[in-house]
Amino acid sequence: EAQVTQNPRYLITVTGKKLTVTCSQNMNHEYMSWYRQDPGLGLRQIYYSMNVEVTDKGDVPEGYKVSRKEKRNFPLILESPSPNQTSLYFCASSSGPYNEQFFGPGTRLTVL
Amino acid sequence: EDQVTQSPEALRLQEGESSSLNCSYTVSGLRGLFWYRQDPGKGPEFLFTLYSAGEEKEKERLKATLTKKESFLHITAPKPEDSATYLCAVQASSNDYKLSFGAGTTVTVRA
Repeated sequence: EAQVTQNPRYLITVTGKKLTVTCSQNMNHEYMSWYRQDPGLGLRQIYYSMNVEVTDKGDVPEGYKVSRKEKRNFPLILESPSPNQTSLYFCASSSGPYNEQFFGPGTRLTVL
Repeated sequence: EDQVTQSPEALRLQEGESSSLNCSYTVSGLRGLFWYRQDPGKGPEFLFTLYSAGEEKEKERLKATLTKKESFLHITAPKPEDSATYLCAVQASSNDYKLSFGAGTTVTVRA
């Protein structure tokens, strides 16, 4: 089954404790992206990647890092999480940057 | 900066009561406008892509249209299963590959 998976689905952590949210897709897609979703603000793009070793900033990249060492994986790293990063995070992939995106199930992160 | 505004924020409909959702956008050249559906607790699911003014696409009870400044998602004779949040997103024809989303319209259809 073609899908985008994210782990963990739920995470509660404390300020400053480094964490990684994993994202993996099995569709051989080149384009992958991370979004955060907050009430009233909609989905905002954090980072995206055109292919292996190619990443670029979205609209809200501050406080986040990404890497793309393999085509199927695109982890999101929070080096020092803060409470304002409490949000619902989605990973997405597509066959190209202008094509429909397939979204993962989401990761709900709470930073205390 | 690309801007996408969706209205209304929420829409409550009776089953069978047709209505329209609006997505107004400001971009420096539109490459594509996307509509997604999002159910509670799930990731968005793709519905349509529109590329140029005058274009229309249909899927079951949904029809999306595009002008130079806005897009409409028409819901004809909705059913309770059409209840969801509908998201609009635009991609500009610039050198980057960002996708900008609106805040969404939450549609509730009562039986």
